[in-house]
Amino acid sequence: DIQMTQSPSSLSASVGDRVTITCRASQGISSGLAWYQQKPGKAPKSLISAASSLQSGVPSRFSGSGSGTDFTLTISSLQPEDFATYYCQQYNTYPPSFGGGTKVEMK
Amino acid sequence: EVQLVESGGGLVQPGGSLRLSCAASGFTFTNYAMNWVRQAPGKGLEWVSGIGNNGVRTYYADSVKGRFTISRDNSKNTLYLQMNSLRAEDTALYYCAPLNSADYWGQGTLVTVSS
Repeated sequence: DIQMTQSPSSLSASVGDRVTITCRASQGISSGLAWYQQKPGKAPKSLISAASSLQSGVPSRFSGSGSGTDFTLTISSLQPEDFATYYCQQYNTYPPSFGGGTKVEMK
Repeated sequence: EVQLVESGGGLVQPGGSLRLSCAASGFTFTNYAMNWVRQAPGKGLEWVSGIGNNGVRTYYADSVKGRFTISRDNSKNTLYLQMNSLRAEDTALYYCAPLNSADYWGQGTLVTVSS
């Protein structure tokens, strides 16, 4: 099975900061990677699929990059509504697997 | 409006069984493979099981293989998860979702395994 390792597990940032979260797969997954945002008490929400394709309605300050084993989610200018936990998930190979999550907290 | 409504969770003793249901509406259920994803309290997301759109192919995480059975009734637009031999570590909020083919999620149903 493919293991997904996210880093950092948490970070503190201020509104307006640029935030970068990384995700590493234990083996190559091509571009079969999604990023999700989850707020407390809510279901996850898909932000990005195919490593870099922004889902409809997701603000353009979110972007994804990478292929193979190393991936990045970037928030170009953090907004108050972006404080949440972010998960990567690979779907290139069964079984699908999630990273451990990155909690973005207010500094 | 797309809706996924999970039900069937509750408190069960270790070794017990539960059957979760997920009623789908607002989209063509038969077009989508479906999955169960769980989240233990305060923890991350864990994929549990998946099923093809016609119900033929099924997949399980190693942690539940042999104990859980996924199925679907396309005539009722409903996904199921039969959970047997439940353990404390199965305690979680269980979501149903197509996952990568569409961003549809329910509100989840809570399963608590405790004596």
